[in-house]
Amino acid sequence: DQQVKQNSPSLSVQEGRISILNCDYTNSMFDYFLWYKKYPAEGPTFLISISSIKDKNEDGRFTVFLNKSAKHLSLHIVPSQPGDSAVYFCAATYPGRKSNFGNEKLTFGTGTRLTIIP
Amino acid sequence: EAGVAQSPRYKIIEKRQSVAFWCNPISGHATLYWYQQILGQGPKLLIQFQNNGVVDDSQLPKDRFSAERLKGVDSTLKIQPAKLEDSAVYLCASNPSGRATDTQYFGPGTRLTVL
Repeated sequence: DQQVKQNSPSLSVQEGRISILNCDYTNSMFDYFLWYKKYPAEGPTFLISISSIKDKNEDGRFTVFLNKSAKHLSLHIVPSQPGDSAVYFCAATYPGRKSNFGNEKLTFGTGTRLTIIP
Repeated sequence: EAGVAQSPRYKIIEKRQSVAFWCNPISGHATLYWYQQILGQGPKLLIQFQNNGVVDDSQLPKDRFSAERLKGVDSTLKIQPAKLEDSAVYLCASNPSGRATDTQYFGPGTRLTVL
């Protein structure tokens, strides 16, 4: 059961243009969403996140939009740069089984490979 | 600040053999995670430790996989015996608190090939 879906396995964008990566989720309990970026032979690195109380979060060239009614989020990168070429993973979590230590398991999507064309 | 360290980076074994992976998290991080990432899929959580205790191992195939974090610092993940479908990248991550609002920092992973 794939609760977090990234339906585009790959995306190519011209340098300087906007890159839009999409993510859909099925579990309405998810209330915190994250994007991770992964280069080959490296582990994923955190990029940006958004809580369900917001519909937009910006960090420099990166903006994440959340549409709760559609269970959809998107990551916008503008302008796109060659160094943005990587695999991008969407992830989601919800309060779930909380202990004193915190236990908010991340569910990842399958990833979208973004290629920026110089 | 040193990142999450993992070794080995690559491992090739035959099915039914055993293999072990090692992870050293960022200093001071209480929470340690092991993920399995099969080609074309996103990382899937296998086990989560808080200090030296297991918080979540619901997706760990316990008949063949085991993990420990005896002193609450570094951790070992073992597969015994390995199957062909265990071919994947095994990622270790750490987090100061275990909360999703704190960043998970990932190591470079160990790529396992089972022949």
